[in-house]
Amino acid sequence: GNSVTQMEGPVTLSEEAFLTINCTYTATGYPSLFWYVQYPGEGLQLLLKATKADDKGSNKGFEATYRKETTSFHLEKGSVQVSDSAVYFCALRPRGGADGLTFGKGTHLIIQP
Amino acid sequence: DVKVTQSSRYLVKRTGEKVFLECVQDMDHENMFWYRQDPGLGLRLIYFSYDVKMKEKGDIPEGYSVSREKKERFSLILESASTNQTSMYLCASSPSGREETQYFGPGTRLLVL
Repeated sequence: GNSVTQMEGPVTLSEEAFLTINCTYTATGYPSLFWYVQYPGEGLQLLLKATKADDKGSNKGFEATYRKETTSFHLEKGSVQVSDSAVYFCALRPRGGADGLTFGKGTHLIIQP
Repeated sequence: DVKVTQSSRYLVKRTGEKVFLECVQDMDHENMFWYRQDPGLGLRLIYFSYDVKMKEKGDIPEGYSVSREKKERFSLILESASTNQTSMYLCASSPSGREETQYFGPGTRLLVL
């Protein structure tokens, strides 16, 4: 079956530090890959996505590249801010478009001033 | 902007009660989904629907049922609520196609006493 593995944290960084949150997946075929973010007290919102190998998704200074050879979709940001504190979820969607997303367990990110 | 609304943000019910969670989307999306979110487990798919009156089981359908009588509305039903169904419930919708983003509602936090 499909699965997503990500570091669970909490991950605590200082402001302006470099961020990497690792995400690897297991899936048949070529799924679409997503990063969602959940700010405190809110629902999930899409951060970025990639739909085929070597695609790079980017948004708000965050980036992730779809690596088929390593089945990975690591999230990176060069300089984090306190406002980036949130829970980040890596997810995949199989080729059958009607299927739901398979999520990782989420990574709680805490940025200290 | 896509809007997914859920009928309640917080709900408290007694064991054995029948519980209805309502979700409405305003973007004419074909697909709708129900997830539950639990600490340390991430989000897990309960049911989804790709058309009116159509439904498919997700990963954890036991103890739940769904109804989709109109395209914009997708209801989750707990026939006889139990304490292990205390959770955060998230509804999502998307157009058809695996590349499409799922849009999430704000969530309903359900407490079953």
